[in-house]
Amino acid sequence: GNSVTQMEGPVTLSEEAFLTINCTYTATGYPSLFWYVQYPGEGLQLLLKATKADDKGSNKGFEATYRKETTSFHLEKGSVQVSDSAVYFCALATNAGKSTFGDGTTLTVKP
Amino acid sequence: DTGVSQDPRHKITKRGQNVTFRCDPISEHNRLYWYRQTLGQGPEFLTYFQNEAQLEKSRLLSDRFSAERPKGSFSTLEIQRTEQGDSAMYLCASSSGTVGHEKLFFGSGTQLSVL
Repeated sequence: GNSVTQMEGPVTLSEEAFLTINCTYTATGYPSLFWYVQYPGEGLQLLLKATKADDKGSNKGFEATYRKETTSFHLEKGSVQVSDSAVYFCALATNAGKSTFGDGTTLTVKP
Repeated sequence: DTGVSQDPRHKITKRGQNVTFRCDPISEHNRLYWYRQTLGQGPEFLTYFQNEAQLEKSRLLSDRFSAERPKGSFSTLEIQRTEQGDSAMYLCASSSGTVGHEKLFFGSGTQLSVL
């Protein structure tokens, strides 16, 4: 079956540090890949997505590139802010309909 | 766009009781999903509807769980004879667009505690 593996957290960084959260996946077919974010006290919301190999998704300074050869979709941001503190979920979806999520990585950014 | 709403936000029940949760999706969305999330884990797929048709159910969904979407709008998730292992956050999401490529819009969830 499909699966998503995220780097274990929590991750603690100082403001303006570089962020990488690793995500690898196993899937049959050609999945789309997503990063969702959950800010404290809020529901999950889409951060970015990529629907085919070599696509780069980007939003709010975050980027991730769909790498089919390494089955990866690592999330990066060049300079994190305190407001980026949240839980980040990597996910995949196929045309079967359902999405499969990783276990989430908690990011805390300190001033 | 008023977002996906779920009711109630919190539910505390005793083991063996039945509970029902409601989800109101974004009005123009034809697909509706139920997920379950426990602490420290990502959402786990339970079931999904396209309009009023239930197209897939996870094998995680025992026969104590049933979901409906009678008119293709709101949905209910019922758990009969609750067990302590059912304690979790139950999330609803809705979407439209191409299956498998679309953005999911999540509600804030219903937190169930079974005592």
